[in-house]
Amino acid sequence: TQLLEQSPQFLSIQEGENLTVYCNSSSVFSSLQWYRQEPGEGPVLLVTVVTGGEVKKLKRLTFQFGDARKDSSLHITAAQPGDTGLYLCAGAGRGSSNTGKLIFGQGTTLQVKP
Amino acid sequence: KAGVTQTPRYLIKTRGQQVTLSCSPISGHRSVSWYQQTPGQGLQFLFEYFSETQRNKGNFPGRFSGRQFSNSRSEMNVSTLELGDSALYLCASSRRDPRLGQETQYFGPGTRLLVL
Repeated sequence: TQLLEQSPQFLSIQEGENLTVYCNSSSVFSSLQWYRQEPGEGPVLLVTVVTGGEVKKLKRLTFQFGDARKDSSLHITAAQPGDTGLYLCAGAGRGSSNTGKLIFGQGTTLQVKP
Repeated sequence: KAGVTQTPRYLIKTRGQQVTLSCSPISGHRSVSWYQQTPGQGLQFLFEYFSETQRNKGNFPGRFSGRQFSNSRSEMNVSTLELGDSALYLCASSRRDPRLGQETQYFGPGTRLLVL
């Protein structure tokens, strides 16, 4: 059974601080996606990483895929109140048994105080 | 391009009833996946359909079923509802991204089901 361990589960910080969210697994993923979800809404895709060691930047957000494609991190620089939300990592496994299926981490609830 | 749409957005049912939820994928997307999201279990995969065929299924009881139509729209059905079925039900459509060589899933807003 593939699992994604996401940490921390909760994070409350002041505006302007930096933070990092981690996703770890003992399994190899063919790709890993990061989503952000607002209360009562569906997850919105932030980025997809595919290549081991890959780094992608989206404004103040930096995403990294581990060299072995078993882990990933999301780093936010100078967090703003608008970054508040639930951040989810999701891995796509390999093989026919994983077709159309994403394995989700438990999520990180981020609160950024003004 | 319109995103994934789900109807209804909210639903209240009582134990023992059945419910049907609908999902319209992004135009051109042929794969539709369904997930259940609860505070305790997070997002869990229900099943995935492609070209009207179920290609993959998660570890949910047979009360949970689905289907896909020729226009790629999908429905999921839950029969004999239980209190524990209260959740946000999300569908996601996807297509293979030629740049990434991978499929990326785009989610709808979900249907909030409350079972009383």
